[in-house]
Amino acid sequence: KAGVTQTPRYLIKTRGQQVTLSCSPISGHRSVSWYQQTPGQGLQFLFEYFSETQRNKGNFPGRFSGRQFSNSRSEMNVSTLELGDSALYLCASSPPGEGDGYTFGSGTRLTVV
Amino acid sequence: GQQLNQSPQSMFIQEGEDVSMNCTSSSIFNTWLWYKQDPGEGPVLLIALYKAGELTSNGRLTAQFGITRKDSFLNISASIPSDVGIYFCAGQDFGNEKLTFGTGTRLTIIP
Repeated sequence: KAGVTQTPRYLIKTRGQQVTLSCSPISGHRSVSWYQQTPGQGLQFLFEYFSETQRNKGNFPGRFSGRQFSNSRSEMNVSTLELGDSALYLCASSPPGEGDGYTFGSGTRLTVV
Repeated sequence: GQQLNQSPQSMFIQEGEDVSMNCTSSSIFNTWLWYKQDPGEGPVLLIALYKAGELTSNGRLTAQFGITRKDSFLNISASIPSDVGIYFCAGQDFGNEKLTFGTGTRLTIIP
């Protein structure tokens, strides 16, 4: 079965712009989580969505937002991009009730210049 | 943001050697997970642990859930070239999808 699909794989944006990243979870998975990975801070939890509702949120500024659609696909948006937002953004999906069933996508590499 | 303390930070070993790494936390977790990440890819789950003291194997990999629930260990026996990568531990609270990741251990195999 198809894995978690993230698009695009690579993105270059300019400071001040905004960006939208997309994540298609594994079929049947209703929970989608987003993580930011940087060399300095490692893997940090951004937020988690379940049935179109945000259930958990990490310690990121309000410039980082997300949403989930009725088909469980999710998007995250970063507004007013800063150089420090350059990172690998990872999406993970899991089936209901099985947190350890997390499957990660290959990520979107965002570079802010 | 919070990261779990993982050691060693990097390891340089020869093929065939055994590897040990550990992860510690200041708070307890109900689940410990171990992931491996290859360059340009997302982390892949290796082993999941659910009970304090639990010892679980997956092929040449063995992991343990510390009895204090604040630590976990991963051992790799008879390393092979495809074991190269970065290994992460992650802790998870009950009923919470959020994972708190360790700082990672980079494994390199010397020819």
